[in-house]
Amino acid sequence: KNQVEQSPQSLIILEGKNCTLQCNYTVSPFSNLRWYKQDTGRGPVSLTIMTFSENTKSNGRYTATLDADTKQSSLHITASQLSDSASYICVVSSDRGSTLGRLYFGRGTQLTVWP
Amino acid sequence: GAGVSQSPSNKVTEKGKDVELRCDPISGHTALYWYRQRLGQGLEFLIYFQGNSAPDKSGLPSDRFSAERTGESVSTLTIQRTQQEDSAVYLCASSLRTGGDYEQYFGPGTRLTVT
Repeated sequence: KNQVEQSPQSLIILEGKNCTLQCNYTVSPFSNLRWYKQDTGRGPVSLTIMTFSENTKSNGRYTATLDADTKQSSLHITASQLSDSASYICVVSSDRGSTLGRLYFGRGTQLTVWP
Repeated sequence: GAGVSQSPSNKVTEKGKDVELRCDPISGHTALYWYRQRLGQGLEFLIYFQGNSAPDKSGLPSDRFSAERTGESVSTLTIQRTQQEDSAVYLCASSLRTGGDYEQYFGPGTRLTVT
């Protein structure tokens, strides 16, 4: 069964601190993995996308890693800001030949940054 | 605006009533997706449209749910005889094409409450 599991479910950190969010998946065949940020009351917005051959990718203070062998990804946030408070969702794509593009979503990690 | 828009933003309806949710995708995007997000849960795929191809309806939870799309423009998601378990945020996303390589851009969602 294609699944995406994220941990922790929720996380509270102080402003300026770093944190790491985890994503494990069983989706196969694997196409790519994205991390989305979803602010309260908004739709998700893509932060990074990683394909099978990529191990790490950065977007400002966000750094994603991917281990395709162990089917694990992490999202590291450096020097957190209050605006980082959001749900972070791991999304794995499994292209099914000509039908393409089914996405599998994790439940997200709810990050709260306190001043 | 260049983003995906959805209407209404909030909808409260009585159990048993029908509701219609609307999505305006980004112009030029041939693929359009509907998702459901229950409180504290991950996104649940419902249906996607790609151009003039037959839609992938495999995620629709029951025959009370249906969706239409006119060409490559507006889409409507209809829920008949609503039940309390239909209460959720319904998110629409569009992308240039289907396939995990193409980023999905999400709308703000419609929050449906069935009383």
